[in-house]
Amino acid sequence: NAGVTQTPKFQVLKTGQSMTLQCAQDMNHNSMYWYRQDPGMGLRLIYYSASEGTTDKGEVPNGYNVSRLNKREFSLRLESAAPSQTSVYFCASSEEGNFRGPQHFGDGTRLSIL
Amino acid sequence: KNEVEQSPQNLTAQEGEFITINCSYSVGISALHWLQQHPGGGIVSLFMLSSGKKKHGRLIATINIQEKHSSLHITASHPRDSAVYICAVIPRGSNYKLTFGKGTLLTVNP
Repeated sequence: NAGVTQTPKFQVLKTGQSMTLQCAQDMNHNSMYWYRQDPGMGLRLIYYSASEGTTDKGEVPNGYNVSRLNKREFSLRLESAAPSQTSVYFCASSEEGNFRGPQHFGDGTRLSIL
Repeated sequence: KNEVEQSPQNLTAQEGEFITINCSYSVGISALHWLQQHPGGGIVSLFMLSSGKKKHGRLIATINIQEKHSSLHITASHPRDSAVYICAVIPRGSNYKLTFGKGTLLTVNP
């Protein structure tokens, strides 16, 4: 009963380093999303993928890139990490697009940029 | 002003009490979500509604589109209900935009 799996769960980076956050879902969902959660800010959408082969910017896309590798996997890449990207990152998926259906979230990745 | 405002920000209750968490929004919406975030960080989708009322176990969510307001009620609250409850709206006419409130921290004491 895996649902949405995110790796890694924790990561510490130095400013300027790059890394990729991985997300995979086993529910055959069409849509996938990446959010960040910061204290006092609530969740904010970084990028989303309505369906396999498509990706679009959300509210805070700067400094990130994404890849929808196949229907199961949606990765988030930080090319040159900055301290402002210290956050908790959540991946989510839903069967329907346009947020019409319930979203299923991963457990999050806690990322610190020094 | 945030598009989505939740009240209260923090709520402490005794086990068994009836809980109400409110969500007000300033834009026309096509639907609203209620989410629960556990102390460990995991997020669970509770409801999605665009009109009326939905019930699941001890949880009830209502929405009044004309008044731009939604409430989440918990009956017979239990310490395991302690979590952050998050309201999020889909603005009408938006393209894949989900706007979140900052959440309400609920603590239920035994």
